[in-house]
Amino acid sequence: EAGVTQSPTHLIKTRGQQATLRCSPISGHTSVYWYQQALGLGLQFLLWYDEGEERNRGNFPPRFSGRQFPNYSSELNVNALELEDSALYLCASSSPAGGLSEQYFGPGTRLTVT
Amino acid sequence: RKEVEQDPGPFNVPEGATVAFNCTYSNSASQSFFWYRQDCRKEPKLLMSVYSSGNEDGRFTAQLNRASQYISLLIRDSKLSDSATYLCVVNRGAGNKLTFGGGTRVLVKP
Repeated sequence: EAGVTQSPTHLIKTRGQQATLRCSPISGHTSVYWYQQALGLGLQFLLWYDEGEERNRGNFPPRFSGRQFPNYSSELNVNALELEDSALYLCASSSPAGGLSEQYFGPGTRLTVT
Repeated sequence: RKEVEQDPGPFNVPEGATVAFNCTYSNSASQSFFWYRQDCRKEPKLLMSVYSSGNEDGRFTAQLNRASQYISLLIRDSKLSDSATYLCVVNRGAGNKLTFGGGTRVLVKP
């Protein structure tokens, strides 16, 4: 069974640009989560999508946004990039078990903002 | 105070020894608990869920103490491949948001 996949693996952008990151969940999983892991910091929850709807978001500014498509894949968009947005962005998915599901992570997209 | 706190370590462990470490959480409404393992520059991988009755998976044993609001992980007969950062993860249920601790680094040495 294929795991969570993310693309691209690496992304280099300049300050002020926009970045788009993509995630495909495990087959059968309907929830997708996005996390940011900045160097030396722990994982910070960004967004949760389920059945195409945004269900919850972490303490991040509105320039972090995303969406989930009918096939449950997801996109994270970061507008007006800032240097401190440089981080590993991890996507996770879980099955529709309701609320407390275990999450499985993809390999991440390493975003570098120069 | 952080919602999930862990001793960052590192815990230097001789191969074959037993190591144990805890994680404390501040929100008493937390409903589910997990240990994840993260190797350097890799994604976190689910190690085990933690149940109220405690659970064991091979050399790994996890315990939950709701009264004192901590979970623990014990690794027996440590292998070199156990070297990693172990992340304590708590799900409050509301919003299905996982809150990660900062991780405990374990280094198993020959």
